[in-house]
Amino acid sequence: GAVVSQHPSRVICKSGTSVKIECRSLDFQATTMFWYRQFPKQSLMLMATSNEGSKATYEQGVEKDKFLINHASLTLSTLTVTSAHPEDSSFYICSASGDYNTDTQYFGPGTRLTVL
Amino acid sequence: RKEVEQDPGPFNVPEGATVAFNCTYSNSASQSFFWYRQDCRKEPKLLMSVYSSGNEDGRFTAQLNRASQYISLLIRDSKLSDSATYLCVVHGFRDSSYKLIFGSGTRLLVRP
Repeated sequence: GAVVSQHPSRVICKSGTSVKIECRSLDFQATTMFWYRQFPKQSLMLMATSNEGSKATYEQGVEKDKFLINHASLTLSTLTVTSAHPEDSSFYICSASGDYNTDTQYFGPGTRLTVL
Repeated sequence: RKEVEQDPGPFNVPEGATVAFNCTYSNSASQSFFWYRQDCRKEPKLLMSVYSSGNEDGRFTAQLNRASQYISLLIRDSKLSDSATYLCVVHGFRDSSYKLIFGSGTRLLVRP
């Protein structure tokens, strides 16, 4: 099956710093990548959808200036959490889809962010 | 109201038991339906797609009732390794794009 990697798997940072998370599709070209966030005991919430070479589409309530998404190639998307605060501590998961229907998504292993 | 509703559980069952999970969704325009499994601190993994005709994969049976907007998952002969959170997921067109909408999950604990 298709493989999606995420890096780093875990990050601890101080409040006010920025953190970049990478999502890579290793054996297929991802026309669309998705970024999700999951707080403890809650469901995955879609943050944004990105297509290669175009601006990301953010879900309602997600600040685009705080969560910067770049999808520069068909195998790489990055999420940068700018000026992170403790309330941004969460499990960030990316997924990638190789078709425009996007019902088949391959998930990365997630990045656990802790902001002190 | 959440778009995808699930009983959070936990369901605590002995090995060998049969357990059923239910899920309802509110948007009748939803097009595809899935059950995912998520282990603690891991990413969700696709368990199976769900079709109106019902589908079975080994000990797992999924059913979709479009009229009632209801999805079910039945697990027979539960194993210890089935302990996880089961996520009901629908796919459809929302706010100008296709996306997956996840339920909060139902937690299953299988005891020896």
